[in-house]
Amino acid sequence: AQSVSQHNHHVILSEAASLELGCNYSYGGTVNLFWYVQYPGQHLQLLLKYFSGDPLVKGIKGFEAEFIKSKFSFNLRKPSVQWSDTAEYFCAVNGGGNKLTFGTGTQLKVEL
Amino acid sequence: GAVVSQHPSWVICKSGTSVKIECRSLDFQATTMFWYRQFPKQSLMLMATSNEGSKATYEQGVEKDKFLINHASLTLSTLTVTSAHPEDSSFYICSAGESGRAWGTDTQYFGPGTRLTVL
Repeated sequence: AQSVSQHNHHVILSEAASLELGCNYSYGGTVNLFWYVQYPGQHLQLLLKYFSGDPLVKGIKGFEAEFIKSKFSFNLRKPSVQWSDTAEYFCAVNGGGNKLTFGTGTQLKVEL
Repeated sequence: GAVVSQHPSWVICKSGTSVKIECRSLDFQATTMFWYRQFPKQSLMLMATSNEGSKATYEQGVEKDKFLINHASLTLSTLTVTSAHPEDSSFYICSAGESGRAWGTDTQYFGPGTRLTVL
């Protein structure tokens, strides 16, 4: 069975700080990887995804993630966060069919 | 594009009643839709996979007789919580992937969720 771990449950940053959220997965085969964001009061939105090719994936709003197969990781990064990035971030993996397994989420708070 | 709606956005019901939640893909066709449950401050847990024109596939531990799923068309799936009890109170979210994509490469688009409170 596949599983996803997000080690940072709560992160607080000041505006303009750099962000890196960890995501590790457990699955023996080929995986597709996703990061979703849930802004307060809103539904889940896709930030970025990795299926194949360049392991450095760029998404919306300046986010990027790097797939490191040897480390089973897909960490999310942003060089300079904004107050509007305050949200909950979910890493998800699809290792078979189209079923997604989600991590427990990371609550990011960006302070002015 | 790729908008998924849910109705209602919230519902309060008495214990023992049944509640139906609709999930619609507004601008694309979805052969497969997924139903999740999210507890406060926890992640999404997949409940079942809804397949158009066939029976839903339920995850282990999910009672199929309690959570009835119907996927009658390529744009609509419904989840009915039968004989609801307070422990069924939760946030229910659906998602849909666009039909016709290669196996395993669907991007899922999520609905806004339905808050169910059972008194």
